Order: sequence, then structure tokens, then C-alpha cells
Amino acid sequence: GIQVEQSPPDLILQEGANSTLRCNFSDSVNNLQWFHQNPWGQLINLFYIPSGTKQNGRLSATTVATERYSLLYISSSQTTDSGVYFCAVGDTDKLIFGTGTRLQVFP
Amino acid sequence: KAGVTQTPRYLIKTRGQQVTLSCSPISGHRSVSWYQQTPGQGLQFLFEYFSETQRNKGNFPGRFSGRQFSNSRSEMNVSTLELGDSALYLCASSTGGTGELFFGEGSRLTVL
Repeated sequence: GIQVEQSPPDLILQEGANSTLRCNFSDSVNNLQWFHQNPWGQLINLFYIPSGTKQNGRLSATTVATERYSLLYISSSQTTDSGVYFCAVGDTDKLIFGTGTRLQVFP
Repeated sequence: KAGVTQTPRYLIKTRGQQVTLSCSPISGHRSVSWYQQTPGQGLQFLFEYFSETQRNKGNFPGRFSGRQFSNSRSEMNVSTLELGDSALYLCASSTGGTGELFFGEGSRLTVL
């Protein structure tokens, strides 16, 4: 099956810093999503981005499907950005999740 | 538009018991899928239903089962609970196919 790798596993930032999270996947996919898991466990949709680039406020994402990777950019980070970020790719009607990047933003 | 609703949010069971979790998808969504999240195994796919038919199943024992009703609401059942079944169970809905999934808040199961 498809393998999904995320890096870095942990990231510690000071408020205001920028960061880039990476997601590599082992095979072609037709679905890729980024999620932020809040402290209560809910997965919050950030981007549905099987290819191309999207932006939403301080967050943006780029997926290069031909090279099998996706990047999530967080600019001017805030303490509320803390949490775990997951990349998930679609494989025959199911999502395969990476192991996540745990982000901690300190004031 | 209401999001995905899961009940109950928290529950505690003992080994050997069974549990049923419920999921109401976003209105108009016909696909419901279930995922298990544990610290050791991460997020793993359980199964997916579309129009009352199971279309895909993950690598879990037969103790894990599910169903979907004609109104797209779904339930999953775990029988003969084991300590290792303690987890956050997440339900997601979509319009179908490999489109964007939207998750509920989850049901946190503790097995003692």
C-alpha cells in the first residue's frame, strides 16, 4: 500500500516565525488533504489539495503530484497554531495518514 | 450546515463487553468512513460505507463491524472488547469517491 512520511516529527517555534511541513508519499494519488488536530482530537480540514497551490490566510499548501510530495507553509505562527498536523492521501476510497508533525508555538 | 456528529463523545467499558458508536454525516453526504487513532498505531482506516454498502475495509479483526442506514447515518460496533481497543474513533463523511473528507469530534473509548 501507499506509504506516507511526514517531516519533521516535531517542531518548536517562537510566535511570529515561519515554518514548512513536508509530506512524501510513495505512489500516485488522487486525493491529498492536510488536517490540524485540535487538543480535543477533532481533525480540522486545512486543505484539500491533490495538486497545485492553495492559500488560506497565513497558511498555504503546495502539492507536486508528479514528484509525490506536498508542503504546508505556516507564516507568522501563533500559539493557536500549536497541535499536530497530518497529511493524508487517498487510496481507493480511504485515506492513509502520515504520522504527523507536532508543532509547538511559544509566545 | 451542521457538521459530522458522533455519539457518545466519551465512554468507558470493561474487557469482554461490546460497544456501539454512532455517526451522523453532513447533510447530503452519502459516504461515511471510520478511523481508529491510538498512540502506537496512529490513524488507521477501519471501513467505508456508501449508500448502505461497505465499499472498503481496513485490516482489523472481525470484532469490528459497521453498517449504514438509508439516511446515511452509520454505526460501528466492537464486540468482545480488549484493552488494545482503547482509542479515539473518528468518523468522516464525504459526498463519495475520493473527495474531501470531513471529520467529527470523535468518540473516545476507554477499555478497563
